[in-house]
Amino acid sequence: EAGVAQSPRYKIIEKRQSVAFWCNPISGHATLYWYQQILGQGPKLLIQFQNNGVVDDSQLPKDRFSAERLKGVDSTLKIQPAKLEDSAVYLCASSPGSGGPYGYTFGSGTRLTVV
Amino acid sequence: AQSVTQLDSQVPVFEEAPVELRCNYSSSVSVYLFWYVQYPNQGLQLLLKYLSGSTLVKGINGFEAEFNKSQTSFHLRKPSVHISDTAEYFCAVTHTGNQFYFGTGTSLTVIP
Repeated sequence: EAGVAQSPRYKIIEKRQSVAFWCNPISGHATLYWYQQILGQGPKLLIQFQNNGVVDDSQLPKDRFSAERLKGVDSTLKIQPAKLEDSAVYLCASSPGSGGPYGYTFGSGTRLTVV
Repeated sequence: AQSVTQLDSQVPVFEEAPVELRCNYSSSVSVYLFWYVQYPNQGLQLLLKYLSGSTLVKGINGFEAEFNKSQTSFHLRKPSVHISDTAEYFCAVTHTGNQFYFGTGTSLTVIP
């Protein structure tokens, strides 16, 4: 089965610019997650979708971050405007159900550098 | 709330030697426990998971982990490491399955 696809792999932008990341989960996976992984830290959940509805976005900085999952399949994560501290790897993951016994399947991530 | 502590940020070990990567968690409720591996410039790959039942869990690439409820630990072990095991290893815990809490990671370096 195809894995979780993410693009782009790398992105360099200047602070105050905007950027968007794209994720296509494994076919049939209802749950999609966006994680932020800052260098030297473990991944931190930004937002969780169940189909096309938001389950948890409590740690998403909503003043600058937004995400959508139209039609319950692929998803985009946007940052506008970007700050230096947004430099990180943004990981998308999907699971058949609500994680738990299934665990996640992660994509390769998008490495964002804000200069 | 749950949290995960990985006690060693870096672990160097010689090739073919055994290794143990330590993980402790805190939770007031029963949890599911996971170990993930991250190779350079790649996403996280599931190594193994504990859901219930036998406390010794076997995973891919010869890794195993033991769940110890009294010590709230889930240490990862491999009896003989290879160069290809050099990577970052993350322990994770979840109660509901909706949010995983990850540790800060352990960088395993296998020395030839």
